[in-house]
Amino acid sequence: SAVISQKPSRDICQRGTSLTIQCQVDSQVTMMFWYRQQPGQSLTLIATANQGSEATYESGFVIDKFPISRPNLTFSTLTVSNMSPEDSSIYLCSARTYGSNQPQHFGDGTRLSIL
Amino acid sequence: GQQVMQIPQYQHVQEGEDFTTYCNSSTTLSNIQWYKQRPGGHPVFLIQLVKSGEVKKQKRLTFQFGEAKKNSSLHITATQTTDVGTYFCAGRNTNAGKSTFGDGTTLTVKP
Repeated sequence: SAVISQKPSRDICQRGTSLTIQCQVDSQVTMMFWYRQQPGQSLTLIATANQGSEATYESGFVIDKFPISRPNLTFSTLTVSNMSPEDSSIYLCSARTYGSNQPQHFGDGTRLSIL
Repeated sequence: GQQVMQIPQYQHVQEGEDFTTYCNSSTTLSNIQWYKQRPGGHPVFLIQLVKSGEVKKQKRLTFQFGEAKKNSSLHITATQTTDVGTYFCAGRNTNAGKSTFGDGTTLTVKP
């Protein structure tokens, strides 16, 4: 199974600033995703990171607020822009290989607090 | 869009009791996955079900996929304190598509 490394693991940021989260997978994967999870809540999909093209965003999430890059099959970044306290959450990177029977694997997450 | 409902939201059991969580999709699924998230951890893949009526077992855990491929269940026999965590189901309605996660069932086990 794919091993996903995510950094930073946690950060405390000032409102109005931006933070970029990095996600590195130890094998080539087809699909990479970014989720947000409030403590004790379910996983909310932010977007699917597409290699070499713009990410596909879910309803309620926009590129200006959450720009995503995916320059190759093993790496992606998520930027949380112009942060406000409402952006305080856990951000999770996930990846899977294309195919009918491939499970998703998750990174350890980035715990983000905005002051 | 596709919706995946999961019940109950919380379950508190005495150690040794059984536990079941149920997952229902608004649409027919191509497959369903189950994940476990320990407190403070990230979701960890447990199993995937693909076939109609499929049943799979992992030690004390039994996973079922409904005949119509719209519902699924996870049953834990004789719970242990190590079973504590939140169990998520995630349904996929095409082989290529994204998975839709249920809201999870949080299990606490009293020793």
